[in-house]
Amino acid sequence: AQSVSQHNHHVILSEAASLELGCNYSYGGTVNLFWYVQYPGQHLQLLLKYFSGDPLVKGIKGFEAEFIKSKFSFNLRKPSVQWSDTAEYFCAVNFPHGSSNTGKLIFGQGTTLQVKP
Amino acid sequence: EAGVAQSPRYKIIEKRQSVAFWCNPISGHATLYWYQQILGQGPKLLIQFQNNGVVDDSQLPKDRFSAERLKGVDSTLKIQPAKLEDSAVYLCASTLSLTRTQYFGPGTRLTVL
Repeated sequence: AQSVSQHNHHVILSEAASLELGCNYSYGGTVNLFWYVQYPGQHLQLLLKYFSGDPLVKGIKGFEAEFIKSKFSFNLRKPSVQWSDTAEYFCAVNFPHGSSNTGKLIFGQGTTLQVKP
Repeated sequence: EAGVAQSPRYKIIEKRQSVAFWCNPISGHATLYWYQQILGQGPKLLIQFQNNGVVDDSQLPKDRFSAERLKGVDSTLKIQPAKLEDSAVYLCASTLSLTRTQYFGPGTRLTVL
């Protein structure tokens, strides 16, 4: 079955530290990749997405992610985190199969990021 | 642009009772999704509508869950009867088309006692 895994469940960093959150998926074909963020008390928001083209994707608030097809990975990075980045981060994958693509997203279990001021 | 609206935001019921959640997607979005997010897990798709037709309900526990989108706009998700394991956040999302970004509502947090 198609699946998405996030390796880090809970990450604690100090402000200005660098961040990398891992995401791997289980399918070798074409994929659309997303990172969503959920700030405390708020709804899920899109950070960035990859459909095709340059595998290094830049999103909002200084986040970026790199799609490495050979490793089935889409890791999220930020060079210097801020206290306001404290949130839960979800990797999600859409597995399109031509005309049967329903746009369905399969989510990882999420990573809670806590940034200490 | 108004976002996806959901109500209620919180609901507490006892097991075996019934409950309904409402979702109003972003105007013009033909595709609507209901997800279930259990604490500590990522959202899991329950059902997907394209206009007023069901596209995917393979993960919906049909013996107790039902959903409709009669006029292709608002949608209602119902649970009858509820079980303890239904305690979760129920998220509604909508999108213009299958290849576009899904926009999520604030969710309804259900607690079943």
